[in-house]
Amino acid sequence: EDKVVQSPLSLVVHEGDTVTLNCSYEVTNFRSLLWYKQEKKAPTFLFMLTSSGIEKKSGRLSSILDKKELFSILNITATQTGDSAIYLCAVGFQGAQKLVFGQGTRLTINP
Amino acid sequence: DGGITQSPKYLFRKEGQNVTLSCEQNLNHDAMYWYRQDPGQGLRLIYYSQIVNDFQKGDIAEGYSVSREKKESFPLTVTSAQKNPTAFYLCASSIGQPGANVLTFGAGSRLTVL
Repeated sequence: EDKVVQSPLSLVVHEGDTVTLNCSYEVTNFRSLLWYKQEKKAPTFLFMLTSSGIEKKSGRLSSILDKKELFSILNITATQTGDSAIYLCAVGFQGAQKLVFGQGTRLTINP
Repeated sequence: DGGITQSPKYLFRKEGQNVTLSCEQNLNHDAMYWYRQDPGQGLRLIYYSQIVNDFQKGDIAEGYSVSREKKESFPLTVTSAQKNPTAFYLCASSIGQPGANVLTFGAGSRLTVL
């Protein structure tokens, strides 16, 4: 059975802190790993990773994939209250359309 | 603006009733999806469709039905056979590139069974 596991499930930090969110996977026919941010309703796309060791960066957010150890991390530096959200990790498969999601990490940034 | 429209945003249903959730997209995407979100369980795939008049079951299809008569539309019916239908339902679409699919999501429909 394909599994995508995120940790921690919940995290509370102060504004300005740096956080690292984890996503590990055990799937057959891995093709890609995606990160989404869900603030209120619709998840919005952050990154898609397909190659090991190549960091993707957007402002204060960055992510990297390790295909040997089967995990990805999402880093957020200098956190702001607007970063409070659920962060979802998903895996895409060779030759298949669907994505399998992890449970999500609920991140709360306190002022 | 291109996007995905889900309706209704909130829906209440009595036990034993079927209900249909609407999903319309104007992104010209080939593939469409329905996910269910429960607290602490992330998103679970109900059904997906790669082209018109074709769809596949996801991991939790029991108690649900779909149709794909038009490219733009992918309605989901929650039937009385679904034992625990109270949840947040998300519709998504993509251009349909296998394995490297970036899904665009709608704002969701929250269904509560009374």
